[in-house]
Amino acid sequence: LAKTTQPISMDSYEGQEVNITCSHNNIATNDYITWYQQFPSQGPRFIIQGYKTKVTNEVASLFIPADRKSSTLSLPRVSLSDTAVYYCLHSGAGSYQLTFGKGTKLSVIP
Amino acid sequence: ETGVTQSPTHLIKTRGQQVTLRCSSQSGHNTVSWYQQALGQGPQFIFQYYREEENGRGNFPPRFSGLQFPNYSSELNVNALELDDSALYLCASSRGLTGSDTEAFFGQGTRLTVV
Repeated sequence: LAKTTQPISMDSYEGQEVNITCSHNNIATNDYITWYQQFPSQGPRFIIQGYKTKVTNEVASLFIPADRKSSTLSLPRVSLSDTAVYYCLHSGAGSYQLTFGKGTKLSVIP
Repeated sequence: ETGVTQSPTHLIKTRGQQVTLRCSSQSGHNTVSWYQQALGQGPQFIFQYYREEENGRGNFPPRFSGLQFPNYSSELNVNALELDDSALYLCASSRGLTGSDTEAFFGQGTRLTVV
């Protein structure tokens, strides 16, 4: 199974940039890296996905170094509503399941 | 809103009973996956259905079974309920097989409590 390692929790003040790093040493050549966000009692929500270098969308950026053994989710200027659990996953074509770890619980403080 | 709806939202069952959970996938999606999420843990993959056929299964016993219908909606059935089956059950739909570069859309889940 695709195993990832993330910090269990992080705290941040409102308005700050938050970077959550994930290790995925056994990533396969064809795997994509995906991040999901989950609020309490809701299903996970897709945030961003990438294969290499940098990807940016309207909510986050994803940085992937050349060796692809880690990735960093960057959330610019977080607000209280960004308090959630963030999951890092990697999977590729031919893999039919998403493998979630315990994720990183981000708490945004006023 | 993801367009994936699950019913019921909450359910209480007695140990040994059977339960059926339902999921309507997003329009245009032909793949449905089910996940079990215990408190404080990440979702764990149960199985996936693609065009009405089971396409993959996680480490769950046979008393967990499922169906996908021609309209791509799905059911999760659990027989002989155990206390440890208490969890949030999540349904995810996608256009194509999840695990590739395909976004999965999750429903809000069904909270099952076994007493």
